[in-house]
Amino acid sequence: QKEVEQNSGPLSVPEGAIASLNCTYSDRVSQSFFWYRQYSGKSPELIMSIYSNGDKEDGRFTAQLNKASQYVSLLIRDSQPSDSATYLCAVIDSGYALNFGKGTSLLVTP
Amino acid sequence: EPEVTQTPSHQVTQMGQEVILRCVPISNHLYFYWYRQILGQKVEFLVSFYNNEISEKSEIFDDQFSVERPDGSNFTLKIRSTKLEDSAMYFCASSEDTSTDTQYFGPGTRLTVL
Repeated sequence: QKEVEQNSGPLSVPEGAIASLNCTYSDRVSQSFFWYRQYSGKSPELIMSIYSNGDKEDGRFTAQLNKASQYVSLLIRDSQPSDSATYLCAVIDSGYALNFGKGTSLLVTP
Repeated sequence: EPEVTQTPSHQVTQMGQEVILRCVPISNHLYFYWYRQILGQKVEFLVSFYNNEISEKSEIFDDQFSVERPDGSNFTLKIRSTKLEDSAMYFCASSEDTSTDTQYFGPGTRLTVL
C-alpha cells in the first residue's frame, strides 16, 4: 500500500504567523502532488498543485516539493482564522487515483 | 465559475436497498471520479471513468458498485445492496484532460445506511 503521511495535528498558530504543513509519500514514481483544504463536513477544495522540484507560490500559499526526499510541504503566510481547516496532501502515484493523506488540522487563533 | 454538482446532498436508506448517487461534472471535463470518506477517516478513491468506461478502480469498488454516464451530463454511482459500512460521504470529481490534471470535487452526498 502506497502511503501518504501527514501529522494529524492540530497545528495551532497565531493569526498573522506562518503555518507550515508537511507531507511525505512512499512511492518514488509519484509525479503529481496536490494540496486540498477541507472544512468540516465539506468537500476537498484545491489549493495548489505542484509537479516539479522546488517552490511554487500562489498568493499567501507556497508549495515545496523535494522528490529526492519524497517530501512536499505547504506554507501559509499571514495565517487567518478563516484558514482553520484540515489540509489534505494528495499524490497521484500512477494512473488516475488521488491517494490522500489523513490530513493535518490547522487552527489559527486570533 | 463552473463547478461539480451532486444530488442528493443527503440520502438515508435501509440496509439492502439500492441507491443511486448523481453527479454533474464540469462541462468540458473528460475524466470523472468517485471518492468516499467515512466519518473521521481519509478520502478514499473508488473509481475513475473516461471515454465511457472504467479506467481504474480500487479494491473498495467491488461488484456491489457500478458507474454510468447515462447522458451527456450526468455521472452516477450505484450501490446495489447497501451495507451499514457504506455509510460515508461520497464525492464526485472531474478533471479536464490527462490523468495528472487537477481534480475538482463536488459538494458530496452524505449516505446514511440504517
